[in-house]
Parts: sequence; C-alpha cells; structure tokens
Amino acid sequence: DGGITQSPKYLFRKEGQNVTLSCEQNLNHDAMYWYRQDPGQGLRLIYYSQIVNDFQKGDIAEGYSVSREKKESFPLTVTSAQKNPTAFYLCASSIDGRNTGELFFGEGSRLTVL
Amino acid sequence: QKEVEQDPGPLSVPEGAIVSLNCTYSNSAFQYFMWYRQYSRKGPELLMYTYSSGNKEDGRFTAQVDKSSKYISLFIRDSQPSDSATYLCAMRFYGGSQGNLIFGKGTKLSVKP
Repeated sequence: DGGITQSPKYLFRKEGQNVTLSCEQNLNHDAMYWYRQDPGQGLRLIYYSQIVNDFQKGDIAEGYSVSREKKESFPLTVTSAQKNPTAFYLCASSIDGRNTGELFFGEGSRLTVL
Repeated sequence: QKEVEQDPGPLSVPEGAIVSLNCTYSNSAFQYFMWYRQYSRKGPELLMYTYSSGNKEDGRFTAQVDKSSKYISLFIRDSQPSDSATYLCAMRFYGGSQGNLIFGKGTKLSVKP
C-alpha cells in the first residue's frame, strides 16, 4: 500500500540527547514536510523539502535539522538545542511543493523528553 | 490577531445533528482553503478543499468560503459517531507552496450515539 511511514511511533529521550525521527514515503512525491503538533497549538511547520538535496526552514526550525538525500526519505533530527522537544511530530508529503493537491500525512511520532 | 482563528471546542452533538465548524482569517490574500480530519493519535487526512469563494459538496460534507467576510465553514449533515475527530482548517496563498499552508488549531468534535 502506498503511504507514509513514520518511526518510531513513541520515543523517549533524556535531556541533552539528539534523536532522529524517520519518515519514508512510497508515493513518488517530490515534496516532504515536517510538522510539530502541540495541544492547543495546531500544526506548525518545522522544515520542508520540495526536491532531493534541497530543504527550507519553516516557522520553528530552531533546534531541528533535516536531510533529503533520497526522494523517499526525509529524516528529522531533534537536537539538544531544542528547548521544548516533547510533542507529536507529523511527516507529510505532496506531489510537488506548488500543487494544490493534498498533503498526505504519516501516523506521527510522539516524542517525550524525560 | 492570529492569521487563522478556529474555536477549539470541544463540540458535542447527538447523532444525526447538523454540525457547523468555522474558521476566520485575517489575510485577504489566502485563496486555497482546506479542511483536514484528524482521528485521535493519527495523522490528518484531507476532507475538502476549495479555491477562492463558493461552496463545495461531497456526500454529507459541504465546505463554504466567504472571502468578503474572511470566513470558512464546514457543514456535516446527518453526523455519525465515526465523524468524532478533530477538524483542522488550513489555507494558503495563490502561487504559494504547500510549505506556506497555515493551519487553524483544530476543533474537537464528538458525536454521541
């Protein structure tokens, strides 16, 4: 089945540790996105990539890093510089960055910092 | 004033009721308007999208855009318990990328049998 796979679904980390969230899509989409969702805050864009080897910062990129070495993969690293990393992280893709078509979302990764 | 305002609810209705969900926005340059549905602990899925003003209907769902009032609505007819979810509005400019999509905070809906 085509779709977006995020892993792990739940992740716990200690303060000061970096953690990488995986996002893989087999939809052959050019564009991929990372959002953060907090209670009462809605979805906020962290990073997005419209094409392989290119990505742009979103509204809340500080403390995060990404790479886009392959079309199907867009991992997100939450670094120790992120002040409040506990959140629900959503990866999404779209056919391309400018199409009016829909965003397809993964099922999310819930990160808890202990 | 935030760009997109959405009442977080929660909204509780009996099965069969007509549900009205709304968002207001401040930027008149928004041209594409979307509604996403998000079940608990899942990712959002696109429910409806419209371009500029007008209505769009899909089964029990109707999306309305009133650009003069900067107001969008999603109506759900004959609501079902399976409609219980959080509904997120989203919008962006003409010619902008999906990276410019602005989301509302979501309205949590509960449909009671």
